[in-house]
Amino acid sequence: DAKTTQPPSMDCAEGRAANLPCNHSTISGNEYVYWYRQIHSQGPQYIIHGLKNNETNEMASLIITEDRKSSTLILPHATLRDTAVYYCIVRPLRRGGNKLTFGTGTQLKVEL
Amino acid sequence: DSGVTQTPKHLITATGQRVTLRCSPRSGDLSVYWYQQSLDQGLQFLIQYYNGEERAKGNILERFSAQQFPDLHSELNLSSLELGDSALYFCASSGSIEREGPTDTQYFGPGTRLTVL
Repeated sequence: DAKTTQPPSMDCAEGRAANLPCNHSTISGNEYVYWYRQIHSQGPQYIIHGLKNNETNEMASLIITEDRKSSTLILPHATLRDTAVYYCIVRPLRRGGNKLTFGTGTQLKVEL
Repeated sequence: DSGVTQTPKHLITATGQRVTLRCSPRSGDLSVYWYQQSLDQGLQFLIQYYNGEERAKGNILERFSAQQFPDLHSELNLSSLELGDSALYFCASSGSIEREGPTDTQYFGPGTRLTVL
């Protein structure tokens, strides 16, 4: 599976957009980009995923560069409850499912 | 609420003992995954079951075993416990490709915190 690189930590003011970058320069054509987050020892929470097009859901937007070597997760209006570790994961699809390989993620701290 | 349940929430036991962790996947999900999260190792994949059969294995110790039952719930058995087995154990489930398309999104339970004294 492709390796990802994320900054270890970021700060964001409440109400502002949080832009979390992820580098995945060795991504293959059949690999999706997934984002999860983990709030203080709770179970990881799925946020969004994409292949090559930008994606948006009720939680966030995912912007994938045209060459697919990097992506950005955008939380449009961060709140204190968005403070968490955010994981960017790249994985191929396999019939019957495939494991998630977690890195160290980005610790996002949202402050007043 | 992800729809995945895990019991117990907390477990405290002694070295050398054996414990069983239980996971109930989301309704209809065929795949169950087990992950371990310790302070020094981060989140690591242990094992996957798909519709009752072992599908993939990660860094799972020989002292650990798992199974998935006909009703699709899964159990993770940890034996001869050591201090280093203290960790959070998460279960995740995902649907079949037929059900959800090819993206196989995994949804995690709240975890079981195991403390070995």
